[in-house]
Amino acid sequence: EVQLVESGGGSAQPGGSLRLSCAAGGFSFSTYSMSWVRQAPGKGLEWISYVSGGSKAIYYADSVKGRFTISRDNAKNSLYLQMNSLTAGDTAIYYCTRVEAYGGNSRGYFDYWGQGTLVTVS
Amino acid sequence: IVMTQTPLSLSVTPGQPASMSCKSSESLLQRDGKTYLYWYLQKPGQSPQLLIYEVSSRVSGVSTRFGGRGSGTDFTLEISRVEAEDVGIYYCMQGLQLPLITFGQGTRLEIK
Repeated sequence: EVQLVESGGGSAQPGGSLRLSCAAGGFSFSTYSMSWVRQAPGKGLEWISYVSGGSKAIYYADSVKGRFTISRDNAKNSLYLQMNSLTAGDTAIYYCTRVEAYGGNSRGYFDYWGQGTLVTVS
Repeated sequence: IVMTQTPLSLSVTPGQPASMSCKSSESLLQRDGKTYLYWYLQKPGQSPQLLIYEVSSRVSGVSTRFGGRGSGTDFTLEISRVEAEDVGIYYCMQGLQLPLITFGQGTRLEIK
C-alpha cells in the first residue's frame, strides 16, 4: 500500500523558513517523480514544485521560484521542501504527491496524495 | 493552460443526477490519441482522490455512478444518482504539460 506522510508544518513569521518532509512507503520511491501541491485555506489546489526520480529535473511554480527548494533522498525514501522568505500568501496545507508520468515523462497526474501538513505564516 | 469549472457550487437531492463542466484554454487531445484530463474529489477534511483519468476511465474502486465525457477543451463529470458520500469539491485537472499541471477552481457538491 502506497503511503505518503508529510511532516514539518507549523507556524512561521513572515520572512522565516520551514522545511517540510514527506516519508514515502509501499512503492519503489526512486522510480517515481514527486511533487508538492498546496491549498490555501478555503481555496483550490496549486502545484508548486516537481522533482524527477533521479533529481535531474526540478521545476517550480512562479509563485515560489527562488524561495522554495525541492529535494529528495532516495536512500531514505524521503521528499523535502525547503521554504524560505515566507509570506502570508504561503499559508496553506502542503500535500506531497506521487506523479504517474507517461508520454515520455511529458504527461502525467498525481495518483497518490499524503494527508497534508499545515503551514501558517503570520 | 487555464482550467475553468462551472458551476462553482451544486446542491442536489439524493438519488438525483448531477453534472458539472470543465473547460480548458487549450485542447488536451494529443497525437497519441489520449486526452489528458482528470477528475479528483476532495471530501471534507481529506486529501484529493483521483476519480477519473483520461476523460472517462474510472479508477479502480470508483462507483459506476461516476462518468466522465468530453473531448478537446470541453469536459463533463456526471453522477447518475447522488449519494450523501459524494459530498465534497470536485476538481478537474490537465496533465498535458507535466510538470506545469493546473487545476480548475473546483465545484462544490452539497446534498439538499
